[in-house]
Amino acid sequence: KQEVTQIPAALSVPEGENLVLNCSFTDSAIYNLQWFRQDPGKGLTSLLLIQSSQREQTSGRLNASLDKSSGRSTLYIAASQPGDSATYLCAAMDSNYQLIWGAGTKLIIKP
Amino acid sequence: DTEVTQTPKHLVMGMTNKKSLKCEQHMGHRAMYWYKQKAKKPPELMFVYSYEKLSINESVPSRFSPECPNSSLLNLHLHALQPEDSALYLCASSTHSLAGGFQPGADTQYFGPGTRLTVL
Repeated sequence: KQEVTQIPAALSVPEGENLVLNCSFTDSAIYNLQWFRQDPGKGLTSLLLIQSSQREQTSGRLNASLDKSSGRSTLYIAASQPGDSATYLCAAMDSNYQLIWGAGTKLIIKP
Repeated sequence: DTEVTQTPKHLVMGMTNKKSLKCEQHMGHRAMYWYKQKAKKPPELMFVYSYEKLSINESVPSRFSPECPNSSLLNLHLHALQPEDSALYLCASSTHSLAGGFQPGADTQYFGPGTRLTVL
């Protein structure tokens, strides 16, 4: 059974710093790995999707990598801003086309 | 238009009430989903509709009844709910298209803003 873990559960950094969020999964048989952002009490916004055959994807200041052999994905945020404060969730699409979710990392960027 | 809309934004209901949540998308997506999310937890999948047919029901109690009247609309009918059902209910949609061959690796889910449900 696929399990997805995110470390750390919470992270607080000063504005301007680069940071890395981690996501690990136990079963490498995934179709893709997705990163989402959720603001308090709101829906989820898709940030990046990495297909199983890909190694990384980039969007603006965000870069996500995927290493299936080690069961890891990272989300790199460059030059962090207070507006980046949110909860970031990763999800792996399993062989049944369902998303298996991590518990999320709550990110706070201090001005 | 990459928007999924949900109504109402907030709903307060008693345990004997009947209410419905509504979700709509006009992206031509053929898969639609209902999720339940409790505070500080990830979303839990409830139902999946594929081509207007219920394809997944994650052992959800019968007091939740989904309906997909057409390819753009998804409803969740609520009856005799319990206080522990209070949560954020999220709707999502994805391409899941069989035309040209389904490519699950490229299938992103687009989420609505959710309905905050409180059961008294």
